[in-house]
Amino acid sequence: NAGVMQNPRHLVRRRGQEARLRCSPMKGHSHVYWYRQLPEEGLKFMVYLQKENIIDESGMPKERFSAEFPKEGPSILRIQQVVRGDSAAYFCASSPGGPYGYTFGSGTRLTVV
Amino acid sequence: GQQLNQSPQSMFIQEGEDVSMNCTSSSIFNTWLWYKQEPGEGPVLLIALYKAGELTSNGRLTAQFGITRKDSFLNISASIPSDVGIYFCAGQLRGGSEKLVFGKGTKLTVNP
Repeated sequence: NAGVMQNPRHLVRRRGQEARLRCSPMKGHSHVYWYRQLPEEGLKFMVYLQKENIIDESGMPKERFSAEFPKEGPSILRIQQVVRGDSAAYFCASSPGGPYGYTFGSGTRLTVV
Repeated sequence: GQQLNQSPQSMFIQEGEDVSMNCTSSSIFNTWLWYKQEPGEGPVLLIALYKAGELTSNGRLTAQFGITRKDSFLNISASIPSDVGIYFCAGQLRGGSEKLVFGKGTKLTVNP
């Protein structure tokens, strides 16, 4: 019974490149959330998706960031033209829905050089 | 935006001691959650609180949801070395999209 799977665990990109972060939710979970964590900080909400729908993207920067959760396959968080300030740990979480604490993955640590 | 104030920022204790940390907010939450995060890993849920005034235990951990729905505390009794990590409180907003608002964390160090 695998948990939330994120890959890659570590990603290094040069400024201006694209970063693609993948998240496979737990089996049976149709709700996916993305959070960003800067060093010495708590997690900050970015986006909440259900299959093929973005439900809440209020925490997502307006430019360069996008997220999807297709009918088949993992959820993808995409960052175009990365800048140094995008360096952070990005966590995905999933839930079956409802007001319950959800399960987080181990994160992708993005470093922009 | 919503913000959780978590204290203390860090704690250094001896093995066997009890620990207490808390979170306050200016916003009302319908759910409070406590997570633990170890280096290089994602947060792991420790305790979830759903009702105002609720007191819940999970082994050596006890947490309470404040009666005003604006605060919560977490106690750890008889600490052990593996309790080391960063503890986060998180609130889930009323009528929201199930997103969580996190505190900045309490970093716990346990000396054997």
